[in-house]
Amino acid sequence: DVKVTQSSRYLVKRTGEKVFLECVQDMDHENMFWYRQDPGLGLRLIYFSYDVKMKEKGDIPEGYSVSREKKERFSLILESASTNQTSMYLCASRHHSIQRSYNEQFFGPGTRLTVL
Amino acid sequence: SQQGEEDPQALSIQEGENATMNCSYKTSINNLQWYRQNSGRGLVHLILIRSNEREKHSGRLRVTLDTSKKSSSLLITASRAADTASYFCATVHGSSNTGKLIFGQGTTLQVKP
Repeated sequence: DVKVTQSSRYLVKRTGEKVFLECVQDMDHENMFWYRQDPGLGLRLIYFSYDVKMKEKGDIPEGYSVSREKKERFSLILESASTNQTSMYLCASRHHSIQRSYNEQFFGPGTRLTVL
Repeated sequence: SQQGEEDPQALSIQEGENATMNCSYKTSINNLQWYRQNSGRGLVHLILIRSNEREKHSGRLRVTLDTSKKSSSLLITASRAADTASYFCATVHGSSNTGKLIFGQGTTLQVKP
């Protein structure tokens, strides 16, 4: 089974702090994703990465950056945390699509981040 | 922008009954996927149906896809209390080069013992 792990289940940070959320997958997947989930807004894509060193902005990248130095690890960085970044953050990975036959995504358990 | 919209937003049934959830979308798709999320947890992939497929089964799950109506339904037969969760449909746009998933708002299912 694919296993996607996230560094913390719950995290509390203060406004202005730099926050790192780590995601690791063990199935050699090429693609990785970061989402945030908020009540009434559903899941929204922040950033994704096709492969090592590659990154693409999603729908709501403002205030975030990412790092993919190794294939199994995809980090989400909040440069200066703000209260409106309080949310549930979900990481996912996916095996690379062949001939645009896109596969399912495998999700981690989520990190509930509170910014005070 | 959100493409999938689920209906109903909430559903409460007794154990043993069937649960049907619907999903509508706006543009052509490559495929449509259903996910389940238990409270406060990550999403678990349930089933994927491609645009050229009309029906798929997986255990107690049955998914249909009607591309002419731009809609899909998820049927859970003989529901159990453990099926209590939120269910999301997610679509991959037909012309997508990235395979980005666009999620609906979800249906919250409660199965009463």
